[in-house]
Amino acid sequence: DQQVKQNSPSLSVQEGRISILNCDYTNSMFDYFLWYKKYPAEGPTFLISISSIKDKNEDGRFTVFLNKSAKHLSLHIVPSQPGDSAVYFCAASGMKTSYDKVIFGPGTSLSVIP
Amino acid sequence: NAGVTQTPKFQVLKTGQSMTLQCAQDMNHNSMYWYRQDPGMGLRLIYYSASEGTTDKGEVPNGYNVSRLNKREFSLRLESAAPSQTSVYFCASSEERRGGNTYNEQFFGPGTRLTVL
Repeated sequence: DQQVKQNSPSLSVQEGRISILNCDYTNSMFDYFLWYKKYPAEGPTFLISISSIKDKNEDGRFTVFLNKSAKHLSLHIVPSQPGDSAVYFCAASGMKTSYDKVIFGPGTSLSVIP
Repeated sequence: NAGVTQTPKFQVLKTGQSMTLQCAQDMNHNSMYWYRQDPGMGLRLIYYSASEGTTDKGEVPNGYNVSRLNKREFSLRLESAAPSQTSVYFCASSEERRGGNTYNEQFFGPGTRLTVL
């Protein structure tokens, strides 16, 4: 059973509008959450993260919100740009391991339409 | 700095053939990882290495072996390839986790697209 879920395989948004990508997790032991972005034929790159002691983290056009009681996080991109078109992976980490074990969700493919 | 490099970029194998995927990083990271990406499955950890000389199994290790040759290099070997191993393979590296409420970003290579016929 997937511990990190992204129930929307794809999302289309008009340029300039807000993109909201959602992620749910099942394991309450996760204490750090991340978003990675992936372009075709490239490896994923780290985008933004949030610790479980916070409920919001902002970096430029990207904001991640965490609702621990609902085991839900979301990534907001405002305003969306065509260059944001990519696959976005939600990931969760924790469980006090000695290495950065990360559980990835299946990804959401975002298309930003000019 | 090249970051994380992987060779080859593409490979086609026949069932039963063997091959080694190479990975190297120039960021002096202690931890290295091998993932596979399949449609609808995200990235799943095959093996990881917390430091030179140590390796451990991840979520889907069956059919694979790894070698942490030195601090820079971490290779993945398929001894007898099967069609179920058709996938895109990513190598990644990161600093050693310091514990507590911290996380060290993983840096990924560009991937190897493997097809097993």
